[in-house]
Amino acid sequence: EIVMTQSPATLSVSPGERATLSCRASQIVSDTLAWYQQKPGQAPRLLIFGASTRATGIPARFSGSGSGTEFTLTISSLQSEDSAVYYCQHYSNWPYTFGQGTKLEIK
Amino acid sequence: QVQLQESGPGLVRPSETLSLTCSVSGGSISNYYWSWIRQPPGKGLEWIGYIYRSGSTNYNPSLKSRATISVDTSSNQLSLRLTSVTAADTAIYYCARSKLLFSPDNPFDIWGQGTMVTVSS
Repeated sequence: EIVMTQSPATLSVSPGERATLSCRASQIVSDTLAWYQQKPGQAPRLLIFGASTRATGIPARFSGSGSGTEFTLTISSLQSEDSAVYYCQHYSNWPYTFGQGTKLEIK
Repeated sequence: QVQLQESGPGLVRPSETLSLTCSVSGGSISNYYWSWIRQPPGKGLEWIGYIYRSGSTNYNPSLKSRATISVDTSSNQLSLRLTSVTAADTAIYYCARSKLLFSPDNPFDIWGQGTMVTVSS
């Protein structure tokens, strides 16, 4: 099983600033990496797939990068509605696994 | 657009079997892979397993063969059975679709709203 490790656990950033979230895989997953946003009481929403491709309807301030084992989700010009927990997930092969999440707080 | 709706009992007794259904509307269940994913309260996400219209399945080994996923293409539904449940199985259970046709190794692009299941006597 591939273990996904996210850092930091919690991130507090001011509106208008940039947030950088990290995700590391215990094995090479190439670019089979997705990011999800989950707000309280809601299901996760797909943000990024293929490590860097935005899903339909996702604002351009969300961007993903990385390949192999190291990945980054960057949210530029943070807005209040970006407050959420963000999960990375590999889909290289089953079992598909998720990181433990990064809670993003807007100051 | 495609929508998913989970349903089933909100309370299950320890050692009994959890049974949930996911109804797919706005599109056909065929040609896509469908998964069950769960999330214990306040915790992260765990993939349970997937199924294709043919009945082909794969499961997370962590569940030690307790999970069974089935599909009914005529009613556009998939189901989850989880046997011998304990308090550790208390979670929100989601069904979700793999994004691309014909392949399971894809991100989950459509999710149901989830259904909370509590295991307690």
